[in-house]
Amino acid sequence: DAKTTQPPSMDCAEGRAANLPCNHSTISGNEYVYWYRQIHSQGPQYIIHGLKNNETNEMASLIITEDRKSSTLILPHATLRDTAVYYCIVRRLTGGSSNTGKLIFGQGTTLQVKP
Amino acid sequence: DAGVTQSPTHLIKTRGQQVTLRCSPKSGHDTVSWYQQALGQGPQFIFQYYEEEERQRGNFPDRFSGHQFPNYSSELNVNALLLGDSALYLCASSHGSPEQFFGPGTRLTVL
Repeated sequence: DAKTTQPPSMDCAEGRAANLPCNHSTISGNEYVYWYRQIHSQGPQYIIHGLKNNETNEMASLIITEDRKSSTLILPHATLRDTAVYYCIVRRLTGGSSNTGKLIFGQGTTLQVKP
Repeated sequence: DAGVTQSPTHLIKTRGQQVTLRCSPKSGHDTVSWYQQALGQGPQFIFQYYEEEERQRGNFPDRFSGHQFPNYSSELNVNALLLGDSALYLCASSHGSPEQFFGPGTRLTVL
C-alpha cells in the first residue's frame, strides 16, 4: 500500500472550512484514498473514501487531484467537536466480504479548531 | 445497535504476565481486526480474523495471538508481556465494506 504524507498539525477557526491535505505520490491505479479521524480517547472513525472522483457525504468532501497524487479533505464548517487527529490512508479495495484488509495509519494531522 | 464493544476498558499487568482482551463486533459484521496504538502514534495493524481464521497479520511477534468465535466475537492474547506492550488496543469490525468500525479500545499498562 502506498505511503502518505500529511502535515503534523493545522489550526482552523470555528465555522470556517478546514482543508486537510494529503500527499500520496506513489499511489497505484487500484488504490483508494480513505480518511479516518480519531477524537481524543476514542477509536478512529471513518469519514470518507474515493478512487478518482470527488466525493461528498454528510461529514466531509474529498477532492482528489487528476493525477491522484494528492487529495484534500474538506470539513465545510468546522466545529470545536471536529478537533481530532485526521488520518489519510491509501489502500487497495480487495474483493469479497472476508477481506476488507488492513489499514496502515501514519502520524496523521492534528486539527485544532479554535473558537 | 451497541456498535463495537471492547473489554476491559483499562488493564494493568506486570512484565511476563499474559493478557486477554475481548471484542464484540457491530451487529451484522463478520470480520474483526486488531490494532495497537502506542502513545502519540497512529494505530498499527496486528491481525484480522474472518470465518474464525487469521487472514492477515502485521509485523507483530508470535506472542500476539487471537481467536474468533462462531458468533464473530474475538479475543486478542498477548503472552510474556513487555513494557513496550503498553498501548491502546483497538478492535475494528466490518462486513464486505471498506469502512471499518472501531471500538473505544482497551488501555493496557505493563509495569
